[in-house]
Amino acid sequence: GAGVSQTPSNKVTEKGKYVELRCDPISGHTALYWYRQSLGQGPEFLIYFQGTGAADDSGLPNDRFFAVRPEGSVSTLKIQRTERGDSAVYLCASSLTGQGATFFGQGTRLTVV
Amino acid sequence: TQLLEQSPQFLSIQEGENLTVYCNSSSVFSSLQWYRQEPGEGPVLLVTVVTGGEVKKLKRLTFQFGDARKDSSLHITAAQPGDTGLYLCAGGSSGSARQLTFGSGTQLTVLP
Repeated sequence: GAGVSQTPSNKVTEKGKYVELRCDPISGHTALYWYRQSLGQGPEFLIYFQGTGAADDSGLPNDRFFAVRPEGSVSTLKIQRTERGDSAVYLCASSLTGQGATFFGQGTRLTVV
Repeated sequence: TQLLEQSPQFLSIQEGENLTVYCNSSSVFSSLQWYRQEPGEGPVLLVTVVTGGEVKKLKRLTFQFGDARKDSSLHITAAQPGDTGLYLCAGGSSGSARQLTFGSGTQLTVLP
């Protein structure tokens, strides 16, 4: 596609529920990143994929968070047993090789009530 | 842990004024990127600087990377209402990790 696409744009879920957030990167981009942005803050790194593998998952806050990219294109961020503190905008980004310009999607606003 | 501090946090100016925002760290970065983010959107890359002392100009915007690659500044000349937005700096590190470390941003409002 022309840009990084994220779905849904908004997600409201109840505490304790499971959610999946989807990212469709720019076609041909091998590098894919997930970031989380809380209100009034800059984005915070979660995980980086190079192709199908997670090259760096050091930013995942705990084992309730997991991300996959099985075919090296679309990625899904999965959050189990959601907590109110998980509420934030989850941003996906991609770049051609992992170096150079990084392009962000519009984000998914997750609200846990 | 690498941290980037941006100042000021908020800036409100009149159209036509000049301004400078700062991005500072105690850590050395291999590259420094500046983004602008509008409400409900993801950050949009403005520029990448990689060499200490480098200066890049993008129309009315001038970006500078410090000699020691620990700090950067963004200067806007004759600001316009369309410049309104959240300006974020992000540092990149060499090595295997490709994550960016973001500052908390400067919220700029340019009043007509």
